[in-house]
Amino acid sequence: GQNIDQPTEMTATEGAIVQINCTYQTSGFNGLFWYQQHAGEAPTFLSYNVLDGLEEKGRFSSFLSRSKGYSYLLLKELQMKDSASYLCAVIDSNYQLIWGAGTKLIIKP
Amino acid sequence: DGGITQSPKYLFRKEGQNVTLSCEQNLNHDAMYWYRQDPGQGLRLIYYSQIVNDFQKGDIAEGYSVSREKKESFPLTVTSAQKNPTAFYLCASSRLAGAGSDEQFFGPGTRLTVL
Repeated sequence: GQNIDQPTEMTATEGAIVQINCTYQTSGFNGLFWYQQHAGEAPTFLSYNVLDGLEEKGRFSSFLSRSKGYSYLLLKELQMKDSASYLCAVIDSNYQLIWGAGTKLIIKP
Repeated sequence: DGGITQSPKYLFRKEGQNVTLSCEQNLNHDAMYWYRQDPGQGLRLIYYSQIVNDFQKGDIAEGYSVSREKKESFPLTVTSAQKNPTAFYLCASSRLAGAGSDEQFFGPGTRLTVL
């Protein structure tokens, strides 16, 4: 079966750095997305990785290792508005998007 | 402004009634999707459509139906056959289906509560 694992919940302090991990076992791989979702709202696109390595975009970075079936999202200089769920999603060999359950990130002052 | 609209944001229905959720996009996207989201779970695909007048079942299509008569519109009907319809429903679209890196854009969602 296809599976994406993320921690259910994480807590971090305002101004700090947090890393949210995602491991996947899917039938094929054609890319990995990270989305942010505030409570009761729609997910919004953060990043896309298809090659190994780090993609940096402002305070957010995303890393991919295809051989390990592993990605992480790195959030720097955390702000209170970063409190949200972060969803990892993988495109499989049929170009279907497989979603993880999401990681709820709680930011404390 | 381009985007995806879903209405209404909150919907209440009595058990046994069919209900239709609307989804409209003006992004000129070919592909549209319906997801269901339950607390503590990832998004689960109900139906998707890659082109007008064509749609495919997702992982949890039972008890749901869709139509795609226009490129801009992809309404979802939750039928009385759906055993547990109370959930948050999200509609999404992407430029091209099966195009790899094309991100999906989401509407604001409809929270359906069946009483």
